[in-house]
Amino acid sequence: GDSVTQMEGPVTLSEEAFLTINCTYTATGYPSLFWYVQYPGEGLQLLLKATKADDKGSNKDFEATYRKETTSFHLEKGSVQVSDSAVYFCAQRGGGSQGNLIFGKGTKLSVKP
Amino acid sequence: SAVISQKPSRDICQRGTSLTIQCQVDSQVTMMFWYRQQPGQSLTLIATANQGSEATYESGFVIDKFPISRPNLTFSTLTVSNMSPEDSSIYLCSVEGSRQGGFSYNEQFFGPGTRLTVL
Repeated sequence: GDSVTQMEGPVTLSEEAFLTINCTYTATGYPSLFWYVQYPGEGLQLLLKATKADDKGSNKDFEATYRKETTSFHLEKGSVQVSDSAVYFCAQRGGGSQGNLIFGKGTKLSVKP
Repeated sequence: SAVISQKPSRDICQRGTSLTIQCQVDSQVTMMFWYRQQPGQSLTLIATANQGSEATYESGFVIDKFPISRPNLTFSTLTVSNMSPEDSSIYLCSVEGSRQGGFSYNEQFFGPGTRLTVL
């Protein structure tokens, strides 16, 4: 069945370090792909999305590119800040199951000053 | 932009009791969903709340345990019935497709969640 696999956390980085959180998916067809972020004590927020191959989603200096050939949607940021500390969830939504988001297990990021 | 609120934000309940969680949106939305996020785990879809008809449940979730109502396009409730400690989770509602904009289609936006602890 359709699924999303994220790199295991937690990930600990120093401020201004480069961030990559890997995400791969298995799906029938061509799903839309999403990154959600959950800051401590808060609800889930949509960070960015891409709806077709080679699309690049970006927001708040985060970006991710929909790679059909590698079925990946890795999240990157060039210089992380302490305020980026959160749990990041990769998700897909297949065209065959409208409305059903399938989430990865989440990756906890801690950024140290 | 539209706002999603949930009540209560958190609760501590006794085994065997039931809790009803409310989700309110300040604009009409096409679709509303209920998710569960167990401690340290990802989100799992419980059901899609359909306006004017019975909810559509995912595998592993049943109406007797998680009855859902959706009386209109801005409001839904989820009841967690006959609770046990295994029901301790964060319960989230999400929405998609606002007629007034703010939520576009093919994007789900989430409420702040209800943190439930069952003793």
